[in-house]
Amino acid sequence: SQQGEEDPQALSIQEGENATMNCSYKTSINNLQWYRQNSGRGLVHLILIRSNEREKHSGRLRVTLDTSKKSSSLLITASRAADTASYFCATDDQGGSEKLVFGKGTKLTVIP
Amino acid sequence: DAGVTQSPTHLIKTRGQQVTLRCSPKSGHDTVSWYQQALGQGPQFIFQYYEEEERQRGNFPDRFSGHQFPNYSSELNVNALLLGDSALYLCASSFRIWRTQYFGPGTRLLVL
Repeated sequence: SQQGEEDPQALSIQEGENATMNCSYKTSINNLQWYRQNSGRGLVHLILIRSNEREKHSGRLRVTLDTSKKSSSLLITASRAADTASYFCATDDQGGSEKLVFGKGTKLTVIP
Repeated sequence: DAGVTQSPTHLIKTRGQQVTLRCSPKSGHDTVSWYQQALGQGPQFIFQYYEEEERQRGNFPDRFSGHQFPNYSSELNVNALLLGDSALYLCASSFRIWRTQYFGPGTRLLVL
């Protein structure tokens, strides 16, 4: 079963706009990560946020984590056509297991 | 610095056959994890290898087996293939068991 659930399932925006994707999960976690996947190929690691962190930035990416609501959001500012991809959140399994549990992803389309 | 590599890139098999997929981890990495990604879904954890042993296993039948070699490369074997095994198989490597995982481009398996 999948722990994380991304919302929305699909998002279409104009180049230059901001894109926000949300992720909800069910159990306590140590870390939450966001990955990008282009055209069904390998996943690219974007950012990791630890359970004791509330916000993290990396370039045009901003990730927030609310452990009380078991949710995270990924904001991509000033989007580009090259940001078109599927975005997944992944959490480590409860109980100290190190496997990653992925959601179904958000498919982002940035229109030039 | 070579990233994670996987071979082959595509594979077509028939039901009942056996398949072996290969993965070379990123330089300096010693842990390999395998994931199955069905179309439109997020990756699902199959198992993880560290120090040539299977350390963790997801909810996959014994038809799925693996191996890690002394040079840290890994193989995923699937016996008695079913139509439902058609998917993108992703390999991810990391340094030690719980560090950021870096994914390869995947092997797309089609079972007819």
